[in-house]
Amino acid sequence: DIQMTQSPSSLSASVGDRVTITCRASQGIRNDLGWYQQKPGKAPKRLIYAASSLQSGVPSRFSGSGSGTEFTLTISSLQPEDFATYYCLQHNSYHLTFGGGTKVEIK
Amino acid sequence: EVQLVESGGGLVKPGGSLRLSCAASGFTFSSYSMNWVRQAPGKGLEWVSSISSSSSYIYYADSVKGRFTISRDNAKNSLYLQMNSLRAEDTAVYYCARVSPRIRDFDYWGQGTLVTVSS
Repeated sequence: DIQMTQSPSSLSASVGDRVTITCRASQGIRNDLGWYQQKPGKAPKRLIYAASSLQSGVPSRFSGSGSGTEFTLTISSLQPEDFATYYCLQHNSYHLTFGGGTKVEIK
Repeated sequence: EVQLVESGGGLVKPGGSLRLSCAASGFTFSSYSMNWVRQAPGKGLEWVSSISSSSSYIYYADSVKGRFTISRDNAKNSLYLQMNSLRAEDTAVYYCARVSPRIRDFDYWGQGTLVTVSS
C-alpha cells in the first residue's frame, strides 16, 4: 500500500499566520491527492481536490500544490474558524490511504 | 442536497457482529462508487472498504479483509457494511463517503455512526 507521511503532526499558530502542511507519498501518485478539514465531532470536509483545485465554497486562503510524491496545503492567513485537524488522502491506488493528520491549534 | 445518513452503530462484544447502513439521498445513488472510512477515538482517518456503482469492484483494507463485507442496494439507495468477528480495535466512528466520479476522491461524507467493541 502507498504510505502517506504528513507533517507536522501538530502546530500552534496565531490568527493571521501563514501555515504550511506537507504530505509525502511513498511512491508517485501523480496529482491524485485531496486535502480535508475535520473539526471535533464532525465529518471531514473536502478543501482541495486533484492536489491544487479549490473545492467550491472554500475560502481562497486555502491552496494546494504538488505532484508526484510531495504535496503542500497552505493557509495564507489563518482565521479563527481554521483551527481544526487536516488530512491528506491519496486515491491513486485502489487501497486509499490518509496521512496521519495535522492538528492546528491556537497559539 | 446530497445527504448520507449512517445507522446501525452500537455496543457489541468482541467476536460479535454488527451491520451498518448508509441511506443516501439527493443524488443518483446507482451512479456512484461508495466507501466506508473509520476513525478510532482520538485517532486519524482509516479507509475501510470501497464498492463500485454496480458492485462489480470491491476492495478492503487488510485490517478488515475476511471479516467485513461491503454491499449496496441501488433500489433502496443504501450502502451496507456487515462486520463480523469484531475486535476491540474496530471501535471507531464509521463514515460512509461518496466517491467523486471525475476525481475519484471523497466529495461527500455522512455524519458517522459509533461502533464500540467491548465486553
